[in-house]
Amino acid sequence: EAGVTQFPSHSVIEKGQTVTLRCDPISGHDNLYWYRRVMGKEIKFLLHFVKESKQDESGMPNNRFLAERTGGTYSTLKVQPAELEDSGVYFCASSQDSAGVQNTGELFFGEGSRLTVL
Amino acid sequence: AQSVTQPDIHITVSEGASLELRCNYSYGATPYLFWYVQSPGQGLQLLLKYFSGDTLVQGIKGFEAEFKRSQSSFNLRKPSVHWSDAAEYFCAVAPYGGSQGNLIFGKGTKLSVKP
Repeated sequence: EAGVTQFPSHSVIEKGQTVTLRCDPISGHDNLYWYRRVMGKEIKFLLHFVKESKQDESGMPNNRFLAERTGGTYSTLKVQPAELEDSGVYFCASSQDSAGVQNTGELFFGEGSRLTVL
Repeated sequence: AQSVTQPDIHITVSEGASLELRCNYSYGATPYLFWYVQSPGQGLQLLLKYFSGDTLVQGIKGFEAEFKRSQSSFNLRKPSVHWSDAAEYFCAVAPYGGSQGNLIFGKGTKLSVKP
């Protein structure tokens, strides 16, 4: 069974440009999460989809970030326009049980997409 | 606000030596606690979790962790480290009643293993 896959693995863009990150969750997983790790800091929650609906987007830093999950399958995270402080590693995770992390205990993470904004 | 502290940024141990990685959390009630590991080139993998019950939990790869409410700690231990354990380790908490999957992570502890 394929794990969570993310693309691209590394993206280098200039300030002001647009980048779109993609996440393919494990097949059948209704829950999809985006997290971000800025260098030297904690991994921070961005948002949570249940199927195609945004369950919680309290961690999204500002309106330059747009996440979508059309059809409840893969998800994209667009940053437009990118700023220097957006540099970091963006992790995607998925889980199967809609009852949540407290019951299943496991989020399956992808390898992350490293974003460098120059 | 809830937070997780991993006081050690980088630890080096010799292969075969014991290991303890520290984790302290700040939260009013008993949270759900996790340890994840990220090996080079890989995603984060769940090592173990604590929800309730026995405060000593066993995980994969020979790891265990002990929840101590009085110290607000959830330290990770392994009796004998292998070279393949070199990785970055993250402690995380899921506050009860919070968004499912809204984990709060510590900054991570990078483990190096000397031959």
